Amino acid sequence: GAGVSQSPSNKVTEKGKDVELRCDPISGHTALYWYRQSLGQGLEFLIYFQGNSAPDKSGLPSDRFSAERTGGSVSTLTIQRTQQEDSAVYLCASSSGVAGGQETQYFGPGTRLLVL
Amino acid sequence: SQKIEQNSEALNIQEGKTATLTCNYTNYSPAYLQWYRQDPGRGPVFLLLIRENEKEKRKERLKVTFDTTLKQSLFHITASQPADSATYLCAPSNDYKLSFGAGTTVTVRA
Repeated sequence: GAGVSQSPSNKVTEKGKDVELRCDPISGHTALYWYRQSLGQGLEFLIYFQGNSAPDKSGLPSDRFSAERTGGSVSTLTIQRTQQEDSAVYLCASSSGVAGGQETQYFGPGTRLLVL
Repeated sequence: SQKIEQNSEALNIQEGKTATLTCNYTNYSPAYLQWYRQDPGRGPVFLLLIRENEKEKRKERLKVTFDTTLKQSLFHITASQPADSATYLCAPSNDYKLSFGAGTTVTVRA
């Protein structure tokens, strides 16, 4: 077990379709993050969940993007009406949540999304 | 707005040499700075964290410096090995919302 897992690993979709990306964090980790990595760009923060607190959605690029975390564990990132500029690698990370911002984030392998 | 710049060119070095990577940031004052390694097709892996009150930190063959006056961090890989070939990302931050540079790709030739 152990690490952060994401599914699917690759997703090809047509412009205008909705997609759902899934993240299974490390068991026991209360903090969960979504990032986006576009070709040649640094990782871009999207959203942060910590325990039962309201999520920090400040990084979501538009209202087509949403995420939820059920039962404090699995998270789903949904992109509605996908656009070609949404093509990127979507990375999920989790951390223990006990040290605030200075703790190690453990990343999953990412979902590579291609919007045609 | 916050800006993070890493070596714009890829770094190609001979095995056994020291690789030095640069991370410069502007328009903010991070309390700490993390370095991650990313291999193709994989997520980043944490390497080191250095705080603003620390000048230098070491871990095995890795050394990181943090100069808050210059707004710069240097990342050194000593006695480099082909297995060190990867992209290295810096993330100067103040909270959980990590902001990453675009990364520097290092290739170590045997």
